[in-house]
Amino acid sequence: DVQLVESGGGLVQPGGSLRVSCVASGLTFHNSWLTWVRQAPGKGLEWVANIKPDGNEKYYADSVKGRFTVSRDNVKNSLFLQMNGLRPEDTAVYFCSVGPYYSDHWGQGTQVTVSS
Amino acid sequence: EILMTQSPATLSVSPGERATLSCRASQDFNNNVAWYRQKPGQAPRLLIYGASTRATGVPARFSGSGSGTEFNLTISSLQSEDFAVYYCQYYNHWPPPFTFGPGTRVDIK
Repeated sequence: DVQLVESGGGLVQPGGSLRVSCVASGLTFHNSWLTWVRQAPGKGLEWVANIKPDGNEKYYADSVKGRFTVSRDNVKNSLFLQMNGLRPEDTAVYFCSVGPYYSDHWGQGTQVTVSS
Repeated sequence: EILMTQSPATLSVSPGERATLSCRASQDFNNNVAWYRQKPGQAPRLLIYGASTRATGVPARFSGSGSGTEFNLTISSLQSEDFAVYYCQYYNHWPPPFTFGPGTRVDIK
């Protein structure tokens, strides 16, 4: 079975930085597109970023472009999201998922709270 | 910019009844639509992709239909675990992003 486990969430002040991670198992990691999706409290789903299997193509939502960076380590089966310049509106549960278009496997998410 | 709507915002249904949810876009989806179910406190689960193909392990009571700019998700007989929020997502373009609809909440009548 595919398992995705996110970690690294927490409380950070506005303007601060945080890196969240996702470790995957049960899939051919180095052949998989990976995606970050977030969900603000009581709100819907927002596509954030995705990354090609070899890490050479990355795409971002306009709301995070220039502040967030997606990366991966295919040796450690890990996906990362480096978040800089955090704003209160970035407060959300961040999910990692598998797929270039739609997401057919999801982790349980990690909570990121941006507040002073 | 493609605008997506889902209707109704909330649907009240009795267990065992049929439910039909709608997803509309301002441009042609070309069948590149996915549907997800999200139960409270859980991650979304993929139900349908390509407008009508059930994902692995998804029960047959879920079916997707539609074309062009209007797509439907039908649940033939609602079970307790189906009272949740449902999202559509379109992916008829490259590069991303791939926007989700605002969601339809299905609750118990």
